[in-house]
Amino acid sequence: NAGVMQNPRHLVRRRGQEARLRCSPMKGHSHVYWYRQLPEEGLKFMVYLQKENIIDESGMPKERFSAEFPKEGPSILRIQQVVRGDSAAYFCASSPLTAGSSYNEQFFGPGTRLTVL
Amino acid sequence: EDQVTQSPEALRLQEGESSSLNCSYTVSGLRGLFWYRQDPGKGPEFLFTLYSAGEEKEKERLKATLTKKESFLHITAPKPEDSATYLCAVVRGATNKLIFGTGTLLAVQP
Repeated sequence: NAGVMQNPRHLVRRRGQEARLRCSPMKGHSHVYWYRQLPEEGLKFMVYLQKENIIDESGMPKERFSAEFPKEGPSILRIQQVVRGDSAAYFCASSPLTAGSSYNEQFFGPGTRLTVL
Repeated sequence: EDQVTQSPEALRLQEGESSSLNCSYTVSGLRGLFWYRQDPGKGPEFLFTLYSAGEEKEKERLKATLTKKESFLHITAPKPEDSATYLCAVVRGATNKLIFGTGTLLAVQP
């Protein structure tokens, strides 16, 4: 059973370009969370999605950032017009849907390390 | 506001020297506390989930415990391969997002 997959693993962009980060959850998982880890800081929640729905985007910057999880294909985190402060490791975590469960463990992917020049 | 604080920030041990890492939290209505291990350049690897005070879980040389205000990760007779950053996180809100501490960097020397 393959784990959470993220690509690319490393991404270099110049200021003003767009960055697209992809996340394929574990098989059978329908919940996706995105977190950001800035240098010397802890992981911070960004957004939580289920298939075709954004459930909680309270941690997402209001501008330039967007996320989607289409019916088919991976979840995408998109950053428009990147700035140097966007340089960070972006992690995706997936969680299974268990009817009646109050909580599900989150399993993380290897991350995408974004560098903005 | 929900908060997670881990201590110490860094810990250096000799192989075989047991110790404990601390995670203190302030959260209204704890719904779960997680421990993860993170190696350099990799994503967090799930270790344990604890749900209620008094709960304990073990895996190899690691044992996690939970009280109403804090959690401990006990490492018994550590080996160099246990060197990593250990992260603690609490579950927050109806959407189950995780609030992380900044981690403890553990180095075990042979």
